[in-house]
Order: sequence, then structure tokens, then C-alpha cells
Amino acid sequence: KAGVTQTPRYLIKTRGQQVTLSCSPISGHRSVSWYQQTPGQGLQFLFEYFSETQRNKGNFPGRFSGRQFSNSRSEMNVSTLELGDSALYLCASSAGHETGANVLTFGAGSRLTVL
Amino acid sequence: AQKITQTQPGMFVQEKEAVTLDCTYDTSDQSYGLFWYKQPSSGEMIFLIYQGSYDEQNATEGRYSLNFQKARKSANLVISASQLGDSAMYFCAMRGSSSNTGKLIFGQGTTLQVKP
Repeated sequence: KAGVTQTPRYLIKTRGQQVTLSCSPISGHRSVSWYQQTPGQGLQFLFEYFSETQRNKGNFPGRFSGRQFSNSRSEMNVSTLELGDSALYLCASSAGHETGANVLTFGAGSRLTVL
Repeated sequence: AQKITQTQPGMFVQEKEAVTLDCTYDTSDQSYGLFWYKQPSSGEMIFLIYQGSYDEQNATEGRYSLNFQKARKSANLVISASQLGDSAMYFCAMRGSSSNTGKLIFGQGTTLQVKP
């Protein structure tokens, strides 16, 4: 069973540019969540998509957006990049059940560097 | 507000010994879930163990066990018989009943180094 696949793994952008990151969840998983990890702020929740609908959102500016496709694949976009957006962006998939453990399975992450 | 606190930024343990990583949490939810994840230097978060707030027994998964003390709001991870491959960052996380399924609140993490 394939795991969660994130692309690209590494990318370098300059301030003001925009970036799109992709996440392919485990087959059968309908929920995809995105997290930002930085040394200063740690792991912070960005948003969750379930069946193509945003189900929950963290406290990030509107420059951060996402979407989910009918095959459950998800993309997140960051516009007008700032230096502080440099981070490891982690995607996680789950069955999306509202009871039980509903364990999140994470991908290897996309490491974004903004110059 | 929900919060996870991991007070040990870094820890060392001798190979084959047991180690306890501390985690305390704060929530007003009656139903919640607690998780531990391992993050090696490669960056991928690996799920280790889960404890539901209504689970009466402490969770165990192989060499991992969760010492759940609900009244003290602590959920410490115990790793028995440490191996060199256990060297990594460890995160405690919580999902509250008022949160949707994909949202976890993470602690700041504990870096564990296993010495040969």
C-alpha cells in the first residue's frame, strides 16, 4: 500500500513569488490535512480537506490556500511568498472518521526555502 | 484552549535501556485523543501510539507504551530497550472532540539520542 506522496520534496523560491505543493493521500483516504513546521513555531495546522470541502482551518493568512480534487489529491498554494514562509510543509491523510483514533499518516514533506 | 507541553528539549539514553518522554496536556474537552509521533532527520512523521481519553488501559505498541494519567493530564511515552534507530525527534499531539479529525495540536518535541 503506497504511502502519502508529496511533491516537490525541495524547492527554492524568491520573495513575492507563489508556490504550489501537491499531496497524494493513501488510497481510500478522504481527508487530507496540511501542516507547517518551522524551528520557531513548531508544527502548526494549516487546513483540512474532506471530500473536496475545507473542513477546518488554522490561523494563517489568506495567502495560504488549498483545494482537494475528486480523487482526494490535494494541493496547497502560498502566494506572495515571504521569508517567514520558509518551512517544511507536511501533508497527512486519514480516513476522516470522526470517532476512534483516525490516525494521520504523514508524507515526507516539501521543504520550501524563500530567498 | 488546547495545549501540549513537552518540557524535555533533549534527552540521552543508553542503548538497550528504557526511556520516558514527558507530555502534559490541557483541554476542557471530555473526549479527546493523544498521539505520539516520531520524526527522524528525514522529516517524515511516523505514528507510534494512540490513547483515547476513555480508554481504561494504557496503550501499548511493541516497545512503545503510553503512561496515561488522566487526572494529572499527562501522557508520557515509554520506549523500552532503546535502539540506535530510535534517535529522532518525538512529538506528543492531541485531538480534541471539538476539533475536526485532521487537526492535531502538537507539542514542541523532544530530541532523543541513543548512545551505543
